[in-house]
Amino acid sequence: KQEVTQIPAALSVPEGENLVLNCSFTDSAIYNLQWFRQDPGKGLTSLLLIQSSQREQTSGRLNASLDKSSGRSTLYIAASQPGDSATYLCAVMNAGNNRKLIWGLGTSLAVNP
Amino acid sequence: NAGVTQTPKFQVLKTGQSMTLQCAQDMNHEYMSWYRQDPGMGLRLIHYSVGAGITDQGEVPNGYNVSRSTTEDFPLRLLSAAPSQTSVYFCASSLGRGFYGYTFGSGTRLTVV
Repeated sequence: KQEVTQIPAALSVPEGENLVLNCSFTDSAIYNLQWFRQDPGKGLTSLLLIQSSQREQTSGRLNASLDKSSGRSTLYIAASQPGDSATYLCAVMNAGNNRKLIWGLGTSLAVNP
Repeated sequence: NAGVTQTPKFQVLKTGQSMTLQCAQDMNHEYMSWYRQDPGMGLRLIHYSVGAGITDQGEVPNGYNVSRSTTEDFPLRLLSAAPSQTSVYFCASSLGRGFYGYTFGSGTRLTVV
Protein backbone atom coordinates (compact mmCIF):
# COMPACT_ATOMS: atom_id res chain seq x y z
CA LYS A 1 0.00 0.00 0.00
CA GLN A 2 1.41 3.35 -1.07
CA GLU A 3 2.15 5.75 1.75
CA VAL A 4 3.41 9.31 1.38
CA THR A 5 5.28 11.07 4.17
CA GLN A 6 6.35 14.69 4.32
CA ILE A 7 9.06 15.87 6.66
CA PRO A 8 9.18 18.22 8.44
CA ALA A 9 5.55 18.84 9.36
CA ALA A 10 6.36 22.48 10.04
CA LEU A 11 9.24 24.77 9.21
CA SER A 12 10.03 28.36 10.15
CA VAL A 13 12.85 30.20 8.39
CA PRO A 14 14.05 33.79 8.01
CA GLU A 15 13.47 35.53 4.72
CA GLY A 16 16.14 34.91 2.09
CA GLU A 17 17.04 31.38 3.10
CA ASN A 18 17.17 28.54 0.60
CA LEU A 19 15.16 25.60 1.88
CA VAL A 20 14.27 22.01 1.07
CA LEU A 21 11.00 20.23 1.70
CA ASN A 22 10.98 16.45 1.63
CA CYS A 23 8.47 13.90 0.37
CA SER A 24 8.97 10.15 0.59
CA PHE A 25 6.84 7.32 -0.79
CA THR A 26 6.90 3.59 -0.16
CA ASP A 27 6.09 2.14 -3.62
CA SER A 28 8.29 3.20 -6.53
CA ALA A 29 5.67 2.16 -9.14
CA ILE A 30 4.35 5.66 -9.65
CA TYR A 31 2.98 7.49 -12.68
CA ASN A 32 3.91 10.96 -11.52
CA LEU A 33 4.43 13.15 -8.46
CA GLN A 34 2.99 16.59 -7.92
CA TRP A 35 3.73 19.40 -5.52
CA PHE A 36 0.92 21.73 -4.46
CA ARG A 37 0.67 24.85 -2.37
CA GLN A 38 -2.27 25.57 -0.07
CA ASP A 39 -2.84 28.95 1.52
CA PRO A 40 -4.98 29.09 4.69
CA GLY A 41 -8.67 28.79 3.88
CA LYS A 42 -7.94 28.43 0.18
CA GLY A 43 -7.76 25.72 -2.41
CA LEU A 44 -4.68 23.99 -3.71
CA THR A 45 -2.44 25.43 -6.40
CA SER A 46 -0.40 23.07 -8.54
CA LEU A 47 3.28 24.02 -8.44
CA LEU A 48 5.18 21.31 -10.27
CA LEU A 49 4.34 18.00 -11.90
CA ILE A 50 7.12 15.43 -12.42
CA GLN A 51 6.44 12.44 -14.66
CA SER A 52 7.98 9.11 -13.61
CA SER A 53 10.51 9.32 -16.44
CA GLN A 54 11.74 12.75 -15.35
CA ARG A 55 14.33 13.65 -12.74
CA GLU A 56 13.36 17.24 -12.01
CA GLN A 57 11.16 20.17 -12.90
CA THR A 58 11.78 23.87 -12.38
CA SER A 59 9.51 26.88 -12.16
CA GLY A 60 11.01 30.19 -11.15
CA ARG A 61 12.52 29.84 -7.68
CA LEU A 62 11.14 26.34 -7.29
CA ASN A 63 12.88 23.13 -8.24
CA ALA A 64 11.48 19.67 -7.62
CA SER A 65 13.47 16.49 -7.98
CA LEU A 66 12.36 12.88 -8.16
CA ASP A 67 14.32 9.73 -7.28
CA LYS A 68 11.98 6.80 -7.81
CA SER A 69 14.46 4.15 -6.75
CA SER A 70 14.83 5.67 -3.30
CA GLY A 71 11.21 6.79 -3.09
CA ARG A 72 12.01 10.43 -2.54
CA SER A 73 11.22 13.86 -3.92
CA THR A 74 12.47 17.22 -2.75
CA LEU A 75 11.09 20.69 -3.33
CA TYR A 76 13.80 23.32 -3.27
CA ILE A 77 12.78 26.94 -2.71
CA ALA A 78 15.47 29.49 -3.44
CA ALA A 79 15.69 32.86 -1.70
CA SER A 80 12.52 32.37 0.32
CA GLN A 81 10.07 35.25 0.75
CA PRO A 82 7.24 35.90 3.25
CA GLY A 83 4.81 35.29 0.38
CA ASP A 84 6.04 31.70 0.23
CA SER A 85 4.40 31.04 3.60
CA ALA A 86 1.83 28.28 3.02
CA THR A 87 1.36 24.55 3.36
CA TYR A 88 3.12 22.48 0.71
CA LEU A 89 1.56 19.16 -0.23
CA CYS A 90 3.06 16.28 -2.14
CA ALA A 91 0.86 13.81 -4.05
CA VAL A 92 1.90 10.60 -5.78
CA MET A 93 -0.11 9.00 -8.55
CA ASN A 94 0.12 5.22 -8.56
CA ALA A 95 0.93 3.47 -11.82
CA GLY A 96 -1.52 1.07 -13.42
CA ASN A 97 -5.24 1.32 -14.02
CA ASN A 98 -5.96 2.70 -10.58
CA ARG A 99 -4.06 5.99 -11.10
CA LYS A 100 -5.00 6.92 -7.58
CA LEU A 101 -3.50 10.05 -6.01
CA ILE A 102 -1.98 9.42 -2.59
CA TRP A 103 -1.41 12.55 -0.54
CA GLY A 104 1.06 13.51 2.12
CA LEU A 105 -0.09 15.59 5.10
CA GLY A 106 2.00 18.56 4.05
CA THR A 107 4.71 20.83 5.40
CA SER A 108 3.57 24.11 6.91
CA LEU A 109 6.12 26.76 5.98
CA ALA A 110 6.49 30.15 7.65
CA VAL A 111 8.98 32.61 6.15
CA ASN A 112 9.64 35.43 8.59
CA PRO A 113 10.55 38.96 7.42
CA ASN B 1 -11.63 33.84 -14.97
CA ALA B 2 -10.92 30.31 -16.13
CA GLY B 3 -10.80 27.75 -13.37
CA VAL B 4 -12.86 25.63 -11.01
CA THR B 5 -15.75 27.33 -9.21
CA GLN B 6 -17.26 25.85 -6.07
CA THR B 7 -20.38 27.02 -4.31
CA PRO B 8 -21.21 27.64 -1.54
CA LYS B 9 -18.01 28.58 0.30
CA PHE B 10 -19.52 27.89 3.73
CA GLN B 11 -22.52 25.84 4.82
CA VAL B 12 -24.01 24.70 8.11
CA LEU B 13 -26.40 21.76 8.00
CA LYS B 14 -28.43 19.96 10.59
CA THR B 15 -28.04 16.21 10.91
CA GLY B 16 -30.27 14.47 8.38
CA GLN B 17 -30.54 17.37 5.96
CA SER B 18 -29.50 16.98 2.35
CA MET B 19 -27.68 19.41 0.12
CA THR B 20 -25.71 19.71 -3.11
CA LEU B 21 -22.24 21.15 -3.41
CA GLN B 22 -21.74 22.69 -6.81
CA CYS B 23 -18.60 22.45 -8.94
CA ALA B 24 -18.13 23.94 -12.39
CA GLN B 25 -15.08 24.28 -14.63
CA ASP B 26 -14.69 26.17 -17.89
CA MET B 27 -11.47 24.60 -19.14
CA ASN B 28 -13.06 21.68 -21.02
CA HIS B 29 -11.38 19.25 -18.62
CA GLU B 30 -12.43 15.63 -18.97
CA TYR B 31 -11.47 14.53 -15.48
CA MET B 32 -13.21 15.89 -12.37
CA SER B 33 -13.07 14.74 -8.79
CA TRP B 34 -14.24 15.51 -5.26
CA TYR B 35 -12.00 15.37 -2.20
CA ARG B 36 -12.53 15.97 1.47
CA GLN B 37 -9.77 17.34 3.66
CA ASP B 38 -9.68 16.59 7.36
CA PRO B 39 -7.00 17.47 9.92
CA GLY B 40 -4.42 14.72 10.28
CA MET B 41 -5.91 12.65 7.46
CA GLY B 42 -4.91 14.51 4.35
CA LEU B 43 -7.04 14.63 1.24
CA ARG B 44 -9.30 11.69 0.49
CA LEU B 45 -11.03 11.00 -2.80
CA ILE B 46 -14.83 10.75 -2.63
CA HIS B 47 -15.94 10.32 -6.25
CA TYR B 48 -14.48 11.04 -9.65
CA SER B 49 -15.51 11.25 -13.29
CA VAL B 50 -13.48 10.65 -16.44
CA GLY B 51 -16.06 12.29 -18.69
CA ALA B 52 -19.71 13.23 -19.08
CA GLY B 53 -21.95 10.36 -18.10
CA ILE B 54 -19.17 8.41 -16.36
CA THR B 55 -18.61 8.43 -12.61
CA ASP B 56 -16.89 6.13 -10.16
CA GLN B 57 -16.26 5.81 -6.45
CA GLY B 58 -13.14 6.92 -4.65
CA GLU B 59 -11.97 5.76 -1.23
CA VAL B 60 -14.71 7.37 0.91
CA PRO B 61 -17.93 7.38 -1.18
CA ASN B 62 -20.49 6.41 1.46
CA GLY B 63 -23.10 9.09 2.07
CA TYR B 64 -22.36 10.94 -1.15
CA ASN B 65 -23.75 10.81 -4.69
CA VAL B 66 -22.49 12.39 -7.89
CA SER B 67 -23.58 12.78 -11.49
CA ARG B 68 -21.93 14.21 -14.59
CA SER B 69 -24.47 15.25 -17.18
CA THR B 70 -22.18 17.83 -18.80
CA THR B 71 -18.42 18.25 -19.15
CA GLU B 72 -18.56 21.47 -17.12
CA ASP B 73 -20.49 20.45 -13.99
CA PHE B 74 -19.89 17.83 -11.32
CA PRO B 75 -22.19 18.30 -8.30
CA LEU B 76 -21.74 16.39 -5.05
CA ARG B 77 -24.88 15.44 -3.14
CA LEU B 78 -25.01 14.71 0.57
CA LEU B 79 -27.99 12.44 1.02
CA SER B 80 -28.51 12.67 4.79
CA ALA B 81 -25.87 14.77 6.49
CA ALA B 82 -24.01 13.38 9.49
CA PRO B 83 -21.54 15.10 11.85
CA SER B 84 -18.80 12.84 10.40
CA GLN B 85 -19.23 14.71 7.12
CA THR B 86 -18.03 17.94 8.69
CA SER B 87 -15.04 18.75 6.51
CA VAL B 88 -13.62 20.95 3.80
CA TYR B 89 -14.59 19.74 0.35
CA PHE B 90 -12.55 20.40 -2.76
CA CYS B 91 -13.41 19.87 -6.39
CA ALA B 92 -10.54 19.34 -8.82
CA SER B 93 -10.30 18.96 -12.58
CA SER B 94 -7.69 17.91 -15.10
CA LEU B 95 -7.36 17.55 -18.86
CA GLY B 96 -6.76 13.86 -18.31
CA ARG B 97 -6.09 11.63 -15.39
CA GLY B 98 -2.38 11.27 -14.93
CA PHE B 99 -0.32 13.19 -17.42
CA TYR B 100 -1.71 16.61 -16.62
CA GLY B 101 -1.76 18.61 -13.43
CA TYR B 102 -4.86 19.32 -11.42
CA THR B 103 -6.77 22.59 -10.91
CA PHE B 104 -8.55 22.89 -7.57
CA GLY B 105 -11.52 24.97 -6.52
CA SER B 106 -11.32 27.16 -3.43
CA GLY B 107 -13.30 24.71 -1.33
CA THR B 108 -16.53 24.45 0.62
CA ARG B 109 -16.32 24.40 4.41
CA LEU B 110 -19.22 22.26 5.66
CA THR B 111 -20.31 21.92 9.28
CA VAL B 112 -22.96 19.39 10.26
CA VAL B 113 -24.48 19.95 13.68
